[in-house]
Amino acid sequence: GAGVSQSPSNKVTEKGKDVELRCDPISGHTALYWYRQSLGQGLEFLIYFQGNSAPDKSGLPSDRFSAERTGGSVSTLTIQRTQQEDSAVYLCASSLTGSTDTQYFGPGTRLTVL
Amino acid sequence: AQSVTQLDSQVPVFEEAPVELRCNYSSSVSVYLFWYVQYPNQGLQLLLKYLSGSTLVKGINGFEAEFNKSQTSFHLRKPSVHISDTAEYFCAVLSGGSNYKLTFGKGTLLTVNP
Repeated sequence: GAGVSQSPSNKVTEKGKDVELRCDPISGHTALYWYRQSLGQGLEFLIYFQGNSAPDKSGLPSDRFSAERTGGSVSTLTIQRTQQEDSAVYLCASSLTGSTDTQYFGPGTRLTVL
Repeated sequence: AQSVTQLDSQVPVFEEAPVELRCNYSSSVSVYLFWYVQYPNQGLQLLLKYLSGSTLVKGINGFEAEFNKSQTSFHLRKPSVHISDTAEYFCAVLSGGSNYKLTFGKGTLLTVNP
């Protein structure tokens, strides 16, 4: 079946602009995760959804970052007033129920802030 | 708090040689361990995971790992590597509790030379 998909694959934006990153999880997966991969910080957790609720937002680096999930499916990560340090690859993953289920990753969105 | 240390940032080897990628973890709760592989410009793919039971775990592409509780290690091994194994390898520990997020090591770049 289809895997996790993310769009866009690449996004170049100017400092101060807002961006939206989209994740389509595997159908039927109730758990959804956002991670960020950058040269300096490696792979770091951002936020976890179970259904449409986000019980853990502890990894969001600042209040410029927000995320939502609708219909228990698609998720959008929004970064307001982008800064150069936001440049990274943003990875989305989904798993069947959360817990110890395997997390399946999408190909990522490469964000470049000029 | 949980953490993962990958002791080698880069490992160059010749084709058909054996390889071991080292991973040590710290965790105050139940331990669930994973190895993921990332090929250039792609997302993360699960190689293998340890949840419980046998400490020797076999994964895809001929890789295996051994969970060693006393040494808090989860080293990845392959007896004979191929050019196509060139990629970055990430060790991760899964937290329990309310979010089941993955905490990743910094990664090991495996380069297989002819």
